Formats: sequence, C-alpha cells, structure tokens
Amino acid sequence: SQQGEEDPQALSIQEGENATMNCSYKTSINNLQWYRQNSGRGLVHLILIRSNEREKHSGRLRVTLDTSKKSSSLLITASRAADTASYFCATVRSNDYKLSFGAGTTVTVRA
Amino acid sequence: EPEVTQTPSHQVTQMGQEVILRCVPISNHLYFYWYRQILGQKVEFLVSFYNNEISEKSEIFDDQFSVERPDGSNFTLKIRSTKLEDSAMYFCASRAPSDSFGNSPLHFGNGTRLTVT
Repeated sequence: SQQGEEDPQALSIQEGENATMNCSYKTSINNLQWYRQNSGRGLVHLILIRSNEREKHSGRLRVTLDTSKKSSSLLITASRAADTASYFCATVRSNDYKLSFGAGTTVTVRA
Repeated sequence: EPEVTQTPSHQVTQMGQEVILRCVPISNHLYFYWYRQILGQKVEFLVSFYNNEISEKSEIFDDQFSVERPDGSNFTLKIRSTKLEDSAMYFCASRAPSDSFGNSPLHFGNGTRLTVT
C-alpha cells in the first residue's frame, strides 16, 4: 500500500505568503520526514519528526504530526522565490523501518 | 558538509546494454540505498544495503539489477540488460547509524539521469 500521499499536488503562491501542504499515511510509523527537490536535483532532507512528537520547527519551516489522524503538515512561512521546488513527505514504518516517499507537492513561489 | 556524489550525471545507453551507476556515499555512513524517479513521478525505493549485503529490495529490483560495494568508498548499481522503461533518475542515498533504527535522515546524491534508447 502507498504511504505518504501529499495534498495538494501543486501550489502556487505569491512571495511572502505562507505555503501549507499535507501528508497522509496508512500504517504505523516510526518517524516522518520532509524532503525538498529542486528541478533536476537530488532530494534534500528538511526535517524529521518522530512518532512521539507533535510539532517541530526549523527556521521558516513548521511541521506537525497527528498520529491519530495519520497525517502531517509542512508550513513554509514568508515564502521566497528560492522555495520553489517539489516537497515530499517520507514515512518510516514501525514494523520494518522501510522509508517510502509520497508523490510530492510542487510549490511555485511567484515574485 | 560531506555529501553523496554520483557519476555520471547523465548516461545514455541502448536497450539491452549493461550500465553501471556509481555512488560515493558519505564516509561514516553504514546504510546505503538506491531509489529511482521516473520523470514527473514519485521517488521509488529499489534497494537497501547494509553490512555488505542487501537488507531489502522492492519488486522493481529484479534479476536485472545488482548492487555492489567493491571497496570502502564506492556503491554501485548495475542494470544488466537495460529496457526502455528503465529510463529514469537514479538516486543514491546513505544514512548514518542512529539511536534507534530509522531515526536518521537519508542524504541523497544529485542523481544519474539514465536514458535508454
């Protein structure tokens, strides 16, 4: 079964606005991670939130995790043109520690 | 900051040919992975490697695929007889040991774009 489905698939915002994307998953997890991918490049790890954590911050990023709803959100505040990228959530399953990626959200920040 | 390096950045090959994609993981990492991403699609797990053996592989990783860590630094993915549908970006990743298995992030290379014609 697929883990980590992001919503929305695409997001277009004005520079300075906030961007929020969501991730839902199906099975019990050990942790959930968010990655960014610039066009044609590798994935860059942004933030890891463990299953016993509810919120985590890193600079302009805020991640929440609700294990009862099996969902997570990534908020980018005060977006910049350089935030234009695809964002992927990845879950590490509790039973086999396998890391699986969702399909990603493509974020476009307009100057 | 140490990084994962992959070569070549782009490989073009004819159907049926063998290709070897090369990766140099971060030096103190112990877990190694290959993922692939078909254009515009999700990142798919291929294989994980630990302690000189495959720890897990996906259904994509059939007999045409193999991995090797021939020395202390390189980690390679070989496709024996490429098919058109093997065209994709192939990403290598490595991970440091963590306090509990899985609680450390993956570090990815910039990928090799494989084009099979």
